[in-house]
Amino acid sequence: SYDLTQPLSVSVALGQTATITCEGDNIRNKNVYWFQQRPGQAPVLVIYRDSHRPSGIPERFSGSNSGNTATLTIGRVQAGDEADYYCQVWDSNTGVFGAGTKVTVV
Amino acid sequence: EVQLVQSGAEVKKAGASLRISCKGSGYSFGSYWISWVRQMPGKGLEWMGRIDPKDSYTNYSPSFEGHVSISADKSINTAYLQWTSLKASDTAMYYCTRLNILTGYDFPLFWMDVWGQGTTVTVSS
Repeated sequence: SYDLTQPLSVSVALGQTATITCEGDNIRNKNVYWFQQRPGQAPVLVIYRDSHRPSGIPERFSGSNSGNTATLTIGRVQAGDEADYYCQVWDSNTGVFGAGTKVTVV
Repeated sequence: EVQLVQSGAEVKKAGASLRISCKGSGYSFGSYWISWVRQMPGKGLEWMGRIDPKDSYTNYSPSFEGHVSISADKSINTAYLQWTSLKASDTAMYYCTRLNILTGYDFPLFWMDVWGQGTTVTVSS
């Protein structure tokens, strides 16, 4: 099975940039998706196919994918960005999620 | 507005059967697959399986194959997740998601673009 590794937590100061990584073997060969889950809410898609933003997602959210690491970057972090973030890929027709990264805004 | 509305919270005893539902609106239900995702208390997201409502073709994660079944009734725009014998370890939040599709590649690209509000299932032993 395919494994995705995310940092357990990321801490970022208000207004600064948060970087969340997602590591997987040759992940550059897969399309990566990112989801935001605020406490008590359903997940929301924030990046699809590595770097595309769905309508309604601020430009502050961006994604990239290279080598063995995909990255979600959140610029000018706001208090409302405090949430769990999950990366996801498809492997052999099966969805695989990373364990999630808790982003704390300080 | 594209929406997935799930059935309400369930409390069951171990060994009971259960079916929860997910009703789509605001789009052509038969044109998009539906998948189900589990989230156990305080834990991360786990993909369970998916269904094409057009022909009810399904595929499951190996972790869930044989433990649950996914079905759909396109005439009423509804997908289902079903258990025949619940266990305490099935206690979790369950989300349905719409799978957007992009064709024209070697194989279709899927992504979970719309999520239901979630259904809490509590199983007591």
